[in-house]
Amino acid sequence: EAQVTQNPRYLITVTGKKLTVTCSQNMNHEYMSWYRQDPGLGLRQIYYSMNVEVTDKGDVPEGYKVSRKEKRNFPLILESPSPNQTSLYFCASRWTSGGGDTQYFGPGTRLTVL
Amino acid sequence: AQSVTQLDSHVSVSEGTPVLLRCNYSSSYSPSLFWYVQHPNKGLQLLLKYTSAATLVKGINGFEAEFKKSETSFHLTKPSAHMSDAAEYFCVVKSQDNFNKFYFGSGTKLNVKP
Repeated sequence: EAQVTQNPRYLITVTGKKLTVTCSQNMNHEYMSWYRQDPGLGLRQIYYSMNVEVTDKGDVPEGYKVSRKEKRNFPLILESPSPNQTSLYFCASRWTSGGGDTQYFGPGTRLTVL
Repeated sequence: AQSVTQLDSHVSVSEGTPVLLRCNYSSSYSPSLFWYVQHPNKGLQLLLKYTSAATLVKGINGFEAEFKKSETSFHLTKPSAHMSDAAEYFCVVKSQDNFNKFYFGSGTKLNVKP
C-alpha cells in the first residue's frame, strides 16, 4: 500500500530535550516536506526536500532541522524543543516530474512540549 | 507572494442540503489550486485540483470547484451534504515563485447536522 508513515504519532516531552520525528514514504517520491498545523493558521511549511541531500527552508524553519540521506526518509529534528513548538506535524511527499502536484500526507504527529 | 483566504472558519449545513466553502486566492499568475480534506484525527487527502485546464473541476465524493479568475475565487461545492462530509477543508495554492512551496488557507470546519 502506497503510504507516508510518521513516528511517533504522539509525543510529550520537556523543554530542551532533543527529539526526532521520522517520516518515510514508499512511493519513490523525489519531494518531501514537513508542515505544522496550528488552530486558525492552517498548515505552514517548515522545510522541504527536492531530492536526496537537497533541502530548503519553508516559511517557519526556526528551531527545526532536517536531513535527506535516503530518498524514502525525511526526519524532522528539534534540537532544543520549546513550548511554542507544541503542534500537530505532518509529513508529505509527491513526485516532481510530470507536473506532479498532489501531495500525499502522513497521519500526523502530535507533539507537546512542556 | 501567493496566499489563500478561506472566508468562513465554520460552516454548518443539514444533511442533504448544498455545501459551499469559499476560497479566494491572490496570485499574479494563473495559479495551481487545491482543496484538501482532513477528517478528525487523520491526515490530509486531496479532493481536487486546478492546474489551468477546465475551470470547473470535479473531485472525489461529489465535490467540485470552479476557478473564477475575474473573482480570484476557487469555491468548493457539493449538491447534497452527507454526514461523512463533516471534516476540515483546506484551500491551497502552489507558489509561482518557488514551485516547491505551498500555501494553505486557515481551514473551514464543516459540520453536517442530521
